[in-house]
Amino acid sequence: QVQLVQSGAEVKKPGASVKVSCKASGYTFTIYHLHWVREAPGQGLEWMGWINPKTGGANYAQKFQGRVRMSGDTSTSTAYMDLSRLTSDDTAVYYCVREASLVDTGKNSYFDYWGQGTLVTVSS
Amino acid sequence: DIVMTQSPDSLAVSLGERATINCKSSQSILDSSNNKNYLSWYQHKPGQPPKLLLYWASTRVSGVPDRFSGSGSATDFTLTISSLQAEDVAVYSCQQYYSTPYTFGQGTKLEIK
Repeated sequence: QVQLVQSGAEVKKPGASVKVSCKASGYTFTIYHLHWVREAPGQGLEWMGWINPKTGGANYAQKFQGRVRMSGDTSTSTAYMDLSRLTSDDTAVYYCVREASLVDTGKNSYFDYWGQGTLVTVSS
Repeated sequence: DIVMTQSPDSLAVSLGERATINCKSSQSILDSSNNKNYLSWYQHKPGQPPKLLLYWASTRVSGVPDRFSGSGSATDFTLTISSLQAEDVAVYSCQQYYSTPYTFGQGTKLEIK
């Protein structure tokens, strides 16, 4: 069965960086886009971007441009999300999410599988 | 960016009664080439990741009870729970995947009256 297992909770100081991992299993890692979505306390869900694990190409939300980097390791079927220059506004649960359509179709689709979430707390 | 706006922000419904949540997109998310609305609905409970309920606006995910239904097209969509059960207490969010950035509604908190 498809599973996305994320790394554990992190506590970071303002200005630091965080790297969250997402290990995929139960399917071929390279044929689906993986997205990152976050939920800050009291806020709605916020899309951060996606990575194409096959090519390494990524598409980031403008809000995070220059501060986020999404990558993937095909040898371990693991995706990573790096977020730098953290502030208290980045305190949130971060989710990796699989998009249902195959990357080669070029078609947008819904999110069918979610990781369990990783809490990142930014505090001095 | 496509803005998704849900109404109401919160809703209290008696057990067994109907719950209706609305979602409006700032532009059409209907692809005329395939006649599909690029909209999904999620149920979100504390401490759990969001659960996909419906996609293409009205297609129910396997295993989701048939009391959950979706309707609407282009810019106006509705999630209906026909007979509210205690386990349906959650936050419900819509999402458009028509174009990036994929955007979510702000969420509607559903409670028991």
